[in-house]
Amino acid sequence: AQSVAQPEDQVNVAEGNPLTVKCTYSVSGNPYLFWYVQYPNRGLQFLLKYITGDNLVKGSYGFEAEFNKSQTSFHLKKPSALVSDSALYFCAFISSGSARQLTFGSGTQLTVLP
Amino acid sequence: DAGVIQSPRHEVTEMGQEVTLRCKPISGHDYLFWYRQTMMRGLELLIYFNNNVPIDDSGMPEDRFSAKMPNASFSTLKIQPSEPRDSAVYFCASSGGRLYEQYFGPGTRLTVT
Repeated sequence: AQSVAQPEDQVNVAEGNPLTVKCTYSVSGNPYLFWYVQYPNRGLQFLLKYITGDNLVKGSYGFEAEFNKSQTSFHLKKPSALVSDSALYFCAFISSGSARQLTFGSGTQLTVLP
Repeated sequence: DAGVIQSPRHEVTEMGQEVTLRCKPISGHDYLFWYRQTMMRGLELLIYFNNNVPIDDSGMPEDRFSAKMPNASFSTLKIQPSEPRDSAVYFCASSGGRLYEQYFGPGTRLTVT
């Protein structure tokens, strides 16, 4: 079955340090990959996507992600973390043949420590 | 645009009662999705519509759940009768055109006692 995996339930990082939230995929064909963020008591917010083209995609709030086909990864990164980045992050994909249906990973709770 | 609008934001009801959740998608979007989020099961797709037509309802947990989209600007998710295990946050999302990403509403927190 096609899926995305977020191997870390929790990531802690000090403010000002670089952050990485990991995502690996098992998707046939050319995957469409996404990152979403969820702040407490809020809906999910779209951060960025990879459809085709440059492997490095830039998104909202200074986040970026690199599509790595050989490692089947799509890790989310930010050069300098802010306390306000603390939230729940979801990796997701659209599989071929499913039109617009997104399948989400289990989520990673990011905590940025002041 | 105001984004995806959901109502009510919070709903507390007793077991056995009917619950109706409402969603207004972003104008011009032709896809609408209903999700449920719980700690135990994470984020689950319940059903989605394209041009007001249900495309995939395989995520609807059982016959107590039903969803409709009578027009492009309105959808409902109904639970009848409700049970405590239906307690969750229900999200509506929409997407459209060449945009594959979905835009989520603020959610409805449902508590069934």
